[in-house]
Amino acid sequence: AQTVTQSQPEMSVQEAETVTLSCTYDTSESDYYLFWYKQPPSRQMILVIRQEAYKQQNATENRFSVNFQKAAKSFSLKISDSQLGDAAMYFCAYRSAYGGTSYGKLTFGQGTILTVHP
Amino acid sequence: NAGVTQTPKFQVLKTGQSMTLQCAQDMNHNSMYWYRQDPGMGLRLIYYSASEGTTDKGEVPNGYNVSRLNKREFSLRLESAAPSQTSVYFCASSRTGYEQYFGPGTRLTVT
Repeated sequence: AQTVTQSQPEMSVQEAETVTLSCTYDTSESDYYLFWYKQPPSRQMILVIRQEAYKQQNATENRFSVNFQKAAKSFSLKISDSQLGDAAMYFCAYRSAYGGTSYGKLTFGQGTILTVHP
Repeated sequence: NAGVTQTPKFQVLKTGQSMTLQCAQDMNHNSMYWYRQDPGMGLRLIYYSASEGTTDKGEVPNGYNVSRLNKREFSLRLESAAPSQTSVYFCASSRTGYEQYFGPGTRLTVT
């Protein structure tokens, strides 16, 4: 079974600065997808970014980028030019790319609470 | 286009009562999921439905049942609620193999 670990329960950053959230995972599979979801106080889960394991290039979405290290099983999220609206709980998630009973299911980490200071 | 909707948003039950959480999606997705979110534990999969007419257990299915009523709707039933089922419940849907879209969640308290 796959596991996802977020070792930082809480992080803080000053507005306009950069912060990196860490995520490690354990799997024996070679093909999979990784995601970062944002959960603001409204509780809504919002997809921030996704990464396909077969792609060597790190995914980027505007101010959000990832550092995907497949051999190290590490998947960190970098938020540049942090804004007050980035304050939220962030979850890292894993999904297998193979068929069978685990196909499509997400395995989540415990989450990291990000605080942005003005 | 409402995406994924869930009812109710909040619910308080007494131990032993039953209730059904409703979920519907209007994105024509094949797959639907139920998760629970507890403090410090992230989201855990309760049940999922890969396609209309099929359901499978996830990581924490005990105490729950599901029904995939049609392609749009996927309900979660608690037959005899227990305090351990106090949680926030999320429904999600996806096209097969693609990212999941989540509903707004239901906060359930069992006293």
